[in-house]
Amino acid sequence: NAGVMQNPRHLVRRRGQEARLRCSPMKGHSHVYWYRQLPEEGLKFMVYLQKENIIDESGMPKERFSAEFPKEGPSILRIQQVVRGDSAAYFCASSRQGWNSPLHFGNGTRLTVT
Amino acid sequence: QQPVQSPQAVILREGEDAVINCSSSKALYSVHWYRQKHGEAPVFLMILLKGGEQKGHEKISASFNEKKQQSSLYLTASQLSYSGTYFCGTEFGSGNTGKLIFGQGTTLQVKP
Repeated sequence: NAGVMQNPRHLVRRRGQEARLRCSPMKGHSHVYWYRQLPEEGLKFMVYLQKENIIDESGMPKERFSAEFPKEGPSILRIQQVVRGDSAAYFCASSRQGWNSPLHFGNGTRLTVT
Repeated sequence: QQPVQSPQAVILREGEDAVINCSSSKALYSVHWYRQKHGEAPVFLMILLKGGEQKGHEKISASFNEKKQQSSLYLTASQLSYSGTYFCGTEFGSGNTGKLIFGQGTTLQVKP
């Protein structure tokens, strides 16, 4: 029973390039959450999605960041024109029913912007 | 809106006990606890849903006082494997989205 799969595990981008982070939720889970974690800091909520819908994007920067969870395929977090401040670990989590349900986290994508 | 955890860091010897607190200025719908080891994903420990509820998992248990808007995680007879950073995650209000806002974390180090 595969867990939450994120890829790539490590991603290096130069300033101004685009970063695409992928997340496949656990089987049977239709709720996906993205969190950002800076070194030695906590998990900051970014966005919550269900299939084909963005439910809550209150934690997403207004510019350069977007997320989707299409009917088929993984959820994608896209960062355009990356800057050094985007360097962080990005974790995806999924849950079966949303509320009152544990979050199962992937191993994260560590983005480094040079 | 972010819950506040205390203490920020704890150092223990094997076999000692620890308590980690999580408090909120807003009414809580539920509290989750997770542990994260360095360089790894956070791992779910438990959810507390009702006021006054207590839950246990071997030597790790937790309580949730809805009235006081706080939760505590109890680690008894700590083992080396308990080392890591502990996060509480809180759901607010009646949105029922499952969206969690996490505290800043408490780093626990257990020494032999």
